[in-house]
Amino acid sequence: GNSVTQMEGPVTLSEEAFLTINCTYTATGYPSLFWYVQYPGEGLQLLLKATKADDKGSNKGFEATYRKETTSFHLEKGSVQVSDSAVYFCALSMDSNYQLIWGAGTKLIIKP
Amino acid sequence: DGGITQSPKYLFRKEGQNVTLSCEQNLNHDAMYWYRQDPGQGLRLIYYSQIVNDFQKGDIAEGYSVSREKKESFPLTVTSAQKNPTAFYLCASSSAGALSSYNEQFFGPGTRLTVL
Repeated sequence: GNSVTQMEGPVTLSEEAFLTINCTYTATGYPSLFWYVQYPGEGLQLLLKATKADDKGSNKGFEATYRKETTSFHLEKGSVQVSDSAVYFCALSMDSNYQLIWGAGTKLIIKP
Repeated sequence: DGGITQSPKYLFRKEGQNVTLSCEQNLNHDAMYWYRQDPGQGLRLIYYSQIVNDFQKGDIAEGYSVSREKKESFPLTVTSAQKNPTAFYLCASSSAGALSSYNEQFFGPGTRLTVL
């Protein structure tokens, strides 16, 4: 079946460090891929998405590239800020299904 | 502004009581979802609805019930049969069809339920 695997957290970095959060997927077919962010006590917000192989999603300095050959969608940011502290979720969807398949989430802690 | 509202933000319930969580959207979305989130964990799907007057069980439907009488509304009832209801509940919605935004889901702010 379809599934998403994220690196376990928490990930703790210093301000201005480079960030990578790994996400790999298993899917029968060609999914769309998403990164969502959840700030403490809030709902989830879509951070970025990619709908086909080699697409790069980007938003607020975050980027992720849809890599079909490695079935990955790793989240990166060149210089993190304290305000980036949150939980990040990777997810996929298939066009034929309304549901999203979710990763377990990765908590990111940025220290000043 | 379009969006999803959930109420209340915090809810306290005594053991043995049913409680209903509200979810309303004005995005004209056909599909709506309920998720449960426990501390330090990911999202688990409780129920979803693709169209008015129809809904399907998700992965953890036991002890919960829903209705979808209007397109805009998808209330969730946590019944006394739910053995461990204390959690953060998230409602979401999405457009229908393959030409929509690839099933991107929009989330409400959540309701934190505590059983006393």
